[in-house]
Amino acid sequence: DGGITQSPKYLFRKEGQNVTLSCEQNLNHDAMYWYRQDPGQGLRLIYYSQIVNDFQKGDIAEGYSVSREKKESFPLTVTSAQKNPTAFYLCASSIDGGVGTEAFFGQGTRLTVV
Amino acid sequence: EDQVTQSPEALRLQEGESSSLNCSYTVSGLRGLFWYRQDPGKGPEFLFTLYSAGEEKEKERLKATLTKKESFLHITAPKPEDSATYLCAVQAMEYGNKLVFGAGTILRVKS
Repeated sequence: DGGITQSPKYLFRKEGQNVTLSCEQNLNHDAMYWYRQDPGQGLRLIYYSQIVNDFQKGDIAEGYSVSREKKESFPLTVTSAQKNPTAFYLCASSIDGGVGTEAFFGQGTRLTVV
Repeated sequence: EDQVTQSPEALRLQEGESSSLNCSYTVSGLRGLFWYRQDPGKGPEFLFTLYSAGEEKEKERLKATLTKKESFLHITAPKPEDSATYLCAVQAMEYGNKLVFGAGTILRVKS
């Protein structure tokens, strides 16, 4: 079955630690995205990539980093510079990121600082 | 100022009681408006894309409509399994191809 797989489902981070969230898709989509979801707020865009080896900052990129070395993979690293990382993180992909193309989402990773 | 506003924040319905959710937007140059359904602890599931005023799309008990400044998601004779958070997002010229999401409407349908 085609889809987007995020792992792990739950992740706990200690203060000062970097953690990496995995996102893999087998939909052959060119564009991939990372969003953050906080209670009572809309999804906010962290980073996006429309092609391998290229990515752009979204609205809240500070304290995060990404890579896009393969078409099917777009990992997100939450660095120690992100002061409030506790949130629900969602990865998405779309066929080409163009006008009017819908995005499909993974099942999310819930990150908690302990 | 929020570019995408959803109302109400929460809605409780009895099974079979039809209603509508609203998504209003202030962006210019709308390229597409998207509706998603999200169950607790899960990722959003795509429902509809609307591109121009007057367009309508239907799926089972759901019908989405679009005007120049807002979209409605009409739910006809809802069932408890329709309980979820419904999100809308817009894609507009002023934001390139990025999606801007509203905060969502939490729908609870009681039997």
